Amino acid sequence: DSGVTQTPKHLITATGQRVTLRCSPRSGDLSVYWYQQSLDQGLQFLIQYYNGEERAKGNILERFSAQQFPDLHSELNLSSLELGDSALYFCASSTGTGGYTFGSGTRLTVV
Amino acid sequence: GQQVMQIPQYQHVQEGEDFTTYCNSSTTLSNIQWYKQRPGGHPVFLIQLVKSGEVKKQKRLTFQFGEAKKNSSLHITATQTTDVGTYFCAGPNFNKFYFGSGTKLNVKP
Repeated sequence: DSGVTQTPKHLITATGQRVTLRCSPRSGDLSVYWYQQSLDQGLQFLIQYYNGEERAKGNILERFSAQQFPDLHSELNLSSLELGDSALYFCASSTGTGGYTFGSGTRLTVV
Repeated sequence: GQQVMQIPQYQHVQEGEDFTTYCNSSTTLSNIQWYKQRPGGHPVFLIQLVKSGEVKKQKRLTFQFGEAKKNSSLHITATQTTDVGTYFCAGPNFNKFYFGSGTKLNVKP
């Protein structure tokens, strides 16, 4: 257990639908990062939050949005889903220095 | 934005052989991190290198940061089947890290 909790582990949904992925960072970590990993691909940075505020945006589609709540958990919302959105979505947290601690990921399948 | 290029994309070795993956950046990096992702797993932080020319070892793994801080390598001596996975380098860009495309290592017993 890395200390970063992601739910759900698996999600199957239809095209056009909307889903919410949830992440609880490791205790004490203020930064949360979201990454997308398509099949056998690298990790694409989506967005970062620090203590409730958006800090940086990567290649995140307009159909996707995220937020970090006062208790520091974060949610990634994916809407108008397309087949190409099928991927592993990882959340990671950090103290701001040093390495990231990744959660186990949410495997999203859009059918 | 910051990009780190990683080679090779795939490497198949016989158990006991050595393995090296390389990471290159077009710009100077303040630091570089390495991660390992086992098949079906999530990336796990291995190490961070900060100083120019730095060399760090973790058992059979040797990490190097180039003198110009634009490249890095991970060398595994005498691979074992437990080394199977994808190795990523990650370079910083402001507050977040961009990951290389990874090197997928397969070790044949």
